[in-house]
Order: sequence, then C-alpha cells, then structure tokens
Amino acid sequence: EAAVTQSPRSKVAVTGGKVTLSCHQTNNHDYMYWYRQDTGHGLRLIHYSYVADSTEKGDIPDGYKASRPSQENFSLILELASLSQTAVYFCASKDRGATEVFFGKGTRLTVV
Amino acid sequence: SQLAEENLWALSVHEGESVTVNCSYKTSITALQWYRQKSGEGPAQLILIRSNEREKRNGRLRATLDTSSQSSSLSITATRCEDTAVYFCARPFGSFNKLTFGAGTRLAVCP
Repeated sequence: EAAVTQSPRSKVAVTGGKVTLSCHQTNNHDYMYWYRQDTGHGLRLIHYSYVADSTEKGDIPDGYKASRPSQENFSLILELASLSQTAVYFCASKDRGATEVFFGKGTRLTVV
Repeated sequence: SQLAEENLWALSVHEGESVTVNCSYKTSITALQWYRQKSGEGPAQLILIRSNEREKRNGRLRATLDTSSQSSSLSITATRCEDTAVYFCARPFGSFNKLTFGAGTRLAVCP
C-alpha cells in the first residue's frame, strides 16, 4: 500500500503569515500533487510535479508556491496566507506507469 | 476545465440495501475514476473505467459508463456501515493524470 504522509495534520495560521505544508511519500512515485478541498466540494489541483526539482501550475495556483527538492518530498508554500485559503489540503502521488493515485490524509488549514 | 458532476448531494440507505450514485460530465473523456472519501481521510480510488468500457466491477462495486449520454454510475450492493462516505467521480485530463473532481455525493448507510 502506497504511503503518503502529510504534516502537520492541522494548522492555524495568521493572515499575512507564511505557511508551509509538507508531504512525504515512500513509494518512489514520480508524480506528486497538491489539491485543495473546500467544505462540501470536490478537490481542485493547485500544483503538481513529475520530477524532482520541477513543479507545474495546476488549476488554482494563485497564492501558492510548490517545491520538490527530492523525489520523496513535495511542499506547498503560502507566502502570505489569506482567509480564503482556509481549506483542507491533500497531497497525492502516482507512479509514472500506473493509473492509481494515492492520497494523504490531508492537512486542515485555518487562517484567522 | 469542465467538472464531472455527481447528480445528488446526499443519499441515505439502510444497511444491506443497494444504492447508485450518478455522475455526468461535459467534455470527452479517456477514462473516469470513482473515489471514496471517508471522514478525516483522503480519497481512495475505487474503480477506473476507460472510455471503451461500458462496465467495470470491483467486489460489491459496479461502475458503468455511457459515453453517448456522458454519464457514469457507481452501484454498491449489500451496503455496510463502512460504506458511509463521500463518493466522487473524477476525470483525468492532460498529461500526468491530473484530476478534475465532481462535488461529491454523501452516502449515509448507518444512523
């Protein structure tokens, strides 16, 4: 079973502050993703990466940066957190040749 | 990109009954994926059905795809309490298996 671990699991941040969400996968997957889920809605793609040291913009990248320093780690960075970024954030990974995407348990971010 | 949309926001059934969740989409697809998300967890893939397939099974789960009506369904037979979750359809697009999710259907099996 693929393992995707997110930290922290929950966080309260102050408006205007910097937030870093971390993701670690132990399955040697090439592709990693960050999704955002708002209450009562589906997930939306923020950033993704298909190789270490490279990131790509997803559907809603504004206000977010991503970093993939190694194959195993993928971070999501909010330089200036805003109230509208309160949501649950999910990291996911996928092997290059496979179809199944594996999600972490999510990080609940509350910006106050 | 167009979202895949589930047709009902919430369903409630008694344990042992069967239930069907529907999904419609607005653009051409190469495949459709069904996910289940339990409370406090990330989504877990249940079934992937490709555009050239009409039906796919996985245990008590059965997915259908009708490309002419641009719709898909996920049926669960002999439901159990642990089937209580939110069910999403998702459309892969572009390279790297990026996903567009519907809003989800919340299924309650047990009180």
